[in-house]
Amino acid sequence: DAEITQSPRHKITETGRQVTLACHQTWNHNNMFWYRQDLGHGLRLIHYSYGVHDTNKGEVSDGYSVSRSNTEDLPLTLESAASSQTSVYFCASSFGRGNTEAFFGQGTRLTVV
Amino acid sequence: ILNVEQSPQSLHVQEGDSTNFTCSFPSSNFYALHWYRWETAKSPEALFVMTLNGDEKKKGRISATLNTKEGYSYLYIKGSQPEDSATYLCAFIGQNFVFGPGTRLSVLP
Repeated sequence: DAEITQSPRHKITETGRQVTLACHQTWNHNNMFWYRQDLGHGLRLIHYSYGVHDTNKGEVSDGYSVSRSNTEDLPLTLESAASSQTSVYFCASSFGRGNTEAFFGQGTRLTVV
Repeated sequence: ILNVEQSPQSLHVQEGDSTNFTCSFPSSNFYALHWYRWETAKSPEALFVMTLNGDEKKKGRISATLNTKEGYSYLYIKGSQPEDSATYLCAFIGQNFVFGPGTRLSVLP
């Protein structure tokens, strides 16, 4: 079955380190998204991509970057991890612009110490 | 920053009660409105995808309506059951995909 997977599921890192969270989908979806979930804020959009080599900033993009070299993957990189980036990160993908539902990965819990 | 709001923030109802939530969103640059159900320790799962003003969708005991001109959508749950306990998210799709903060529903047996 097609799916969307995130790795790792849990990570602890130190302040200042570079961290990359992986997101891989096998639906051949054009659109991929990264969100962070924080208490009181729900899901906030970090970056998104509407196709290969396309990337766009979301609401809370500072300190994060993404690249889309193929359809299946959208890795999220924290250039220099900060304690404020401790959060649960969700990746999602969808086929159409918005007329089809998004499918979510299982989430990655990142702790920056 | 787009303002997508949901009310109430949380809700406690008794088993068998019917309930409804509201999602309000910008009335301009509208492309679609989604509703998702998010259980604790799981990932959000789609309930409805709505694109046209006046859309009404139904899935079992859950239904939703859409008013794009005034910028709101209602989600209704008829005869709530304990398994309906979850956070219900709406997502406004315009230039990108923006979620509201969610309504946390607790259904007491």
